[in-house]
Amino acid sequence: DTGVSQDPRHKITKRGQNVTFRCDPISEHNRLYWYRQTLGQGPEFLTYFQNEAQLEKSRLLSDRFSAERPKGSFSTLEIQRTEQGDSAMYLCASTNTRQAASYGYTFGSGTRLTVV
Amino acid sequence: AQKITQTQPGMFVQEKEAVTLDCTYDTSDPSYGLFWYKQPSSGEMIFLIYQGSYDQQNATEGRYSLNFQKARKSANLVISASQLGDSAMYFCAMSYTGNQFYFGTGTSLTVIP
Repeated sequence: DTGVSQDPRHKITKRGQNVTFRCDPISEHNRLYWYRQTLGQGPEFLTYFQNEAQLEKSRLLSDRFSAERPKGSFSTLEIQRTEQGDSAMYLCASTNTRQAASYGYTFGSGTRLTVV
Repeated sequence: AQKITQTQPGMFVQEKEAVTLDCTYDTSDPSYGLFWYKQPSSGEMIFLIYQGSYDQQNATEGRYSLNFQKARKSANLVISASQLGDSAMYFCAMSYTGNQFYFGTGTSLTVIP
């Protein structure tokens, strides 16, 4: 068990480009979450999956954002036509159904996106 | 609407001393969980401690304890015997079912040697 892995750690992109981030959760965890954290703020919920099903999406997740978890293992978060306001740390977390309510999540180290 | 308030943007504590980080919350739901996470400069959020709304006793995990005052809707984190490695951002969070966490804006703790 190597924890939650996120790739890349840093991404700099030009405005208007598309970017994709990957998250590999802890293998026995069936739930996977994406959060966004801007400077000086706490993480904000974006979406979560139980196995391969996307069960909830925040209003923060505009139509330029899409997340997938095709086989219930790793997940990708894609941002199309990036804007400067998308610059943030994107955090992935995982847990299992039994632990979620009382043990919280295991977070990855995040992908820091800078849109120039 | 759910809300977590952390009123201390930054705190300083002398090494080996205890420190209290404040957290208040707002909810009308009787069932919820309160969490504290530590975020070092590396970016990873590290789970520290959990308190359920129905728990009668304050939660403790090693040097961390949670001072839960339900009527006042506060869930302060107490770190005893501070260490240099405790320097980090600390976030208070609330969840109902574990499906979504609501985080405060955090408190930056600096431990002074």
